[in-house]
This record gives sequence, structure tokens and C-alpha cells, in this order.
Amino acid sequence: QVQLVESGGGVVQPGGSLRLSCVASGFTFRGYGMHWVRQAPGKGLEWVALIWHHGNKEDYADSVKGRFTISRDNFKNTLSLQMNSLRVEDTAVYYCARVGYGATLGGMDVWGQGTTVTVSS
Amino acid sequence: DIVMTQSPLSLPVTPGEPASISCRSSQSLLHSDGKNYLEWYLQKPGQSPQLLIYLGSNRASGVPDRFSGSGAGTDFTLKISRVEAEDVGVYYCMHALQTSFTFGPGTKVDIK
Repeated sequence: QVQLVESGGGVVQPGGSLRLSCVASGFTFRGYGMHWVRQAPGKGLEWVALIWHHGNKEDYADSVKGRFTISRDNFKNTLSLQMNSLRVEDTAVYYCARVGYGATLGGMDVWGQGTTVTVSS
Repeated sequence: DIVMTQSPLSLPVTPGEPASISCRSSQSLLHSDGKNYLEWYLQKPGQSPQLLIYLGSNRASGVPDRFSGSGAGTDFTLKISRVEAEDVGVYYCMHALQTSFTFGPGTKVDIK
């Protein structure tokens, strides 16, 4: 079945780095744009980054621009988020999500279960 | 950035009764292509979010027809014709007009 599985979360000190992965299965990964969305403890949803299906274009929320990098490997069906210069406020559950409808860049129709990132000294 | 607001923030509902959530954007979500780039998501307790509505009024695949989206420009509404117990959770609107997508604060729906 269509599935996204995130991994790579953990505890890291402020200023540190972490790399998240999201493995896709059950669909033609290279045909879909992909998002990262996060949710701080007890808070709402915050969009983080988007990468187009071909991987040649990406965009970021201002809060992570210059620190996070989204990438993908369409041969390995894998989406990644490299997170550098981490801050306490980056603590959150990070979800990957698929752009499900070609008419919009949103339309996040498949979500992973999330991976937890904790930034703390 | 476009700011999204929702009301109410908390909505106690009675099973079998209708329910409605309002979402407003700080600028029009009507694109030159005639579509309104507004989406609705539901996050059930302990689960990942799920897409309900995209482009203002299109139900996502598998979404029950008791859910409907309407509105245009800056004012949008999500309606549940007859609430079921499984509909509890937090409902978010989100604009998809441009990258730098933003979500509303969420409306928590629970059973009275």
C-alpha cells in the first residue's frame, strides 16, 4: 500500500545537525512533489520545505531557510531533510507528506507517522 | 506571508448534528486560474494529519461526503453535515496559493 516512513529523529544539542529520511513505497515516488511539515509539542502544524518531483526546485519556510536542506533520491525512493544549526525552537515531530494532486502544490494526501526531533542542551 | 485564522478554536459537537468551521486568510486565495487555493486537514488524536478538502471544495479521495468545503477569496467554511464520533480531532485550514504555505491555528472538535 501507499506508505511513507520517516526515520532519523533524535536528541541533539543546540547548534548541532541531524538528517531525517522518509522512504516511500507503493507509488511512483519520482512522479510526486514532497513536503516536510513539523509540529512542535502541543502546537499546530508548520510547513517546512517542498521539493518538486524532479528534485530541481525546492522552497523553504523563512524559519529554516539557510539552515535546512531538502533533497531526494528518486532511485532509492527516499526524501531527506538535512538540518544544521539546530535551535531549541526546531524541536518538533517532523512529517513527510506527498503532493497528491497535480493541480496544486499542496494537497498533502499521504503522510508518514512522523519522527521526533528534540533540540536540548 | 499569508496569515490564516480560524473560528471557533474549540467546537463541542453532538453526534448526528451539523458542524461548521470558518477559516479566513489575510489575502485572497483566488488565483488567476479561477481556483481558490485553500485546503482542510484533520488530525485525529494520536495520528498524522489527513487531507479532507483541496482547492476550496474538492474532497480528497476516500473522504466521506458529509464533509464539504465552500467559500472563495478570503472566507472559507468546512461543514460536516452530520457529525460522527470518529470526526473528533483538530481541523486545520491551510493556504496553498504560493510556497511558504501557512496553516491556521486549528479548531479542536470534541463530543459534548
